[in-house]
Parts: sequence; C-alpha cells; structure tokens
Amino acid sequence: GAGVSQSPRYKVTKRGQDVALRCDPISGHVSLYWYRQALGQGPEFLTYFNYEAQQDKSGLPNDRFSAERPEGSISTLTIQRTEQRDSAMYRCASSLAFSTDTQYFGPGTRLTVL
Amino acid sequence: SQQGEEDPQALSIQEGENATMNCSYKTSINNLQWYRQNSGRGLVHLILIRSNEREKHSGRLRVTLDTSKKSSSLLITASRAADTASYFCATLGGTSGSRLTFGEGTQLTVNP
Repeated sequence: GAGVSQSPRYKVTKRGQDVALRCDPISGHVSLYWYRQALGQGPEFLTYFNYEAQQDKSGLPNDRFSAERPEGSISTLTIQRTEQRDSAMYRCASSLAFSTDTQYFGPGTRLTVL
Repeated sequence: SQQGEEDPQALSIQEGENATMNCSYKTSINNLQWYRQNSGRGLVHLILIRSNEREKHSGRLRVTLDTSKKSSSLLITASRAADTASYFCATLGGTSGSRLTFGEGTQLTVNP
C-alpha cells in the first residue's frame, strides 16, 4: 500500500506567519511521530501520538509548536509566528503498533522561513 | 540531544569493497534501527535489531548489537555505487520511551 505522505513538500514563508504541515500515515498505523531534521544532522524527535492521543510532546521546542491528530489518522503540525531558526526538514513517521515497531518515514516537508 | 554516535563520520570506498559503520549509545534500549538517507530524499528503514538479539542479516546487510558495550555495527558487503548515502542508527526505548533517538550519521561514498 501507499507509504507515509506529507504535504506540502516545500514551504517558503515569511517570518511571523503561521504554517501547517500535514502528515498522512500508512493506513492502519496506530502511532504517528513528528521529527525535525537540520542539514547534516539526524532527525530530532518532536512529538508522537497513539491513535488521537498525544503521548509525548516533550520534544516540541516551545509553545509556538503544536500538533494534533483529531481522528487518529491524519496529523497536522502547526508552527505559529515562524522564525528563521524554524527552517528545517520536518519529517513524519508512523508505526503499526505502539512504541517498539519499525517507524516508516514520509518524504518530509522542507520549511524555509525568510 | 543525540544519543547515537556514528563512527566514522565519513567513509569512502571502492565498489565491491565492504563498508562498516559503528554506532554507540548511552542508555538502555528496546531496539536499535538503521536507516539510509540518499541525498535530498527520505529516510529508508534498513533493519531493526532488538536488545535481546546479537546479530541480524538482511541481504547484503549485517548488523550486530553489543548491549554490554552499548554499541552496534552495520556491515554492507560487496558495496555498490547505489549504496552511496548517509546512514543513521537510531535507538528506541529505555529512558527515551517511544521516540527514536538518532545519531548524526555516517556519509558513505562508494566510488565506481
């Protein structure tokens, strides 16, 4: 079946604008994860959900970042009042069951804040 | 913070040679996963090894795990130019719960 999809693939925005990044996990996958990856670095955890419940948001850098997964499928990561330091690749992953399963990553959204 | 640390940071070999990459981590884990990232593309899952396993094979890949030394190695045999990519180890479990904690990666270049 289809893999994890993310949209948009590229987003350029001006400082101070809000952005919403979307993730569509593999059908039937219970867990959904958000990561952020700076150039030349490995991904860093932001938050994750089991079904619609946000289980861990300790990786969100500040309160401008929020995420939701209202129906336990598609998730949206929202960044309010974007800053240049928010520029990065934002990656979503999903896994079939809780915690210990393989996480399958989407293609990512490249966010550039001017 | 990054728990996994890959070694070396960069590796350049000739096609047909074997490539070995190492990963060290600091805390207890449930499993360790290796991912590949081609330039400008997504992360592809390669192999998962659980904390009670010592070695695992998948095609030309061989992964070992030594929990006493908190280290893992990824061996790619008979490398191909298409293996050129960044390779990341990621640990899951222990104090990090359900999050994957990635290292900074090893950049592998396979010259034809």
